[in-house]
Amino acid sequence: GQQVMQIPQYQHVQEGEDFTTYCNSSTTLSNIQWYKQRPGGHPVFLIQLVKSGEVKKQKRLTFQFGEAKKNSSLHITATQTTDVGTYFCAGPGAAGNKLTFGGGTRVLVKP
Amino acid sequence: DTGVSQDPRHKITKRGQNVTFRCDPISEHNRLYWYRQTLGQGPEFLTYFQNEAQLEKSRLLSDRFSAERPKGSFSTLEIQRTEQGDSAMYLCASSYLALRDRAYSGANVLTFGAGSRLTVL
Repeated sequence: GQQVMQIPQYQHVQEGEDFTTYCNSSTTLSNIQWYKQRPGGHPVFLIQLVKSGEVKKQKRLTFQFGEAKKNSSLHITATQTTDVGTYFCAGPGAAGNKLTFGGGTRVLVKP
Repeated sequence: DTGVSQDPRHKITKRGQNVTFRCDPISEHNRLYWYRQTLGQGPEFLTYFQNEAQLEKSRLLSDRFSAERPKGSFSTLEIQRTEQGDSAMYLCASSYLALRDRAYSGANVLTFGAGSRLTVL
């Protein structure tokens, strides 16, 4: 079945630094979604990418969808303590009926 | 509308007991999903409903698990004869997918509830 993998599993970042987390799917995706889960919270939708090579920005967050629509990345600039949490990517199955989530990248920020 | 509601938020039970979780989705959403999440892992798909019809169940889902959405509104997830391995956060999510969007599988953005945490002793 479809597999979605994320690296790294953990990201320790000094406040103010930049970092990138990566998402790879075993199958071509019609779209990819990113969610953020704060410690003790539930996943909250951030963004959806649909087009090959698409890039979208949300303030300090930049999301990119790969040309082959099998991978995606999230780049955060000037990390802040509010960025703490786990970032999940998720892609729909072939029938588009369910989202398969990656294992997430847990972001810890050192002040 | 206050979003997706789940009840109870926490449940502690002894092995072998049955438990039931309830989910109230966003009222105008026609799709409802159940996911399970264990510590340090991503949400794992269990099952989903389109209106009242259960359209897909994970092959990993044991026969001890059953879900219903009798009137296409709220849903229940029952676990019979609980085992320690069932300890997890059970997340409900809902979404809206219009007929015109069904050819476009990208329209299905999920709104999650706060989850029901199950501890089996």
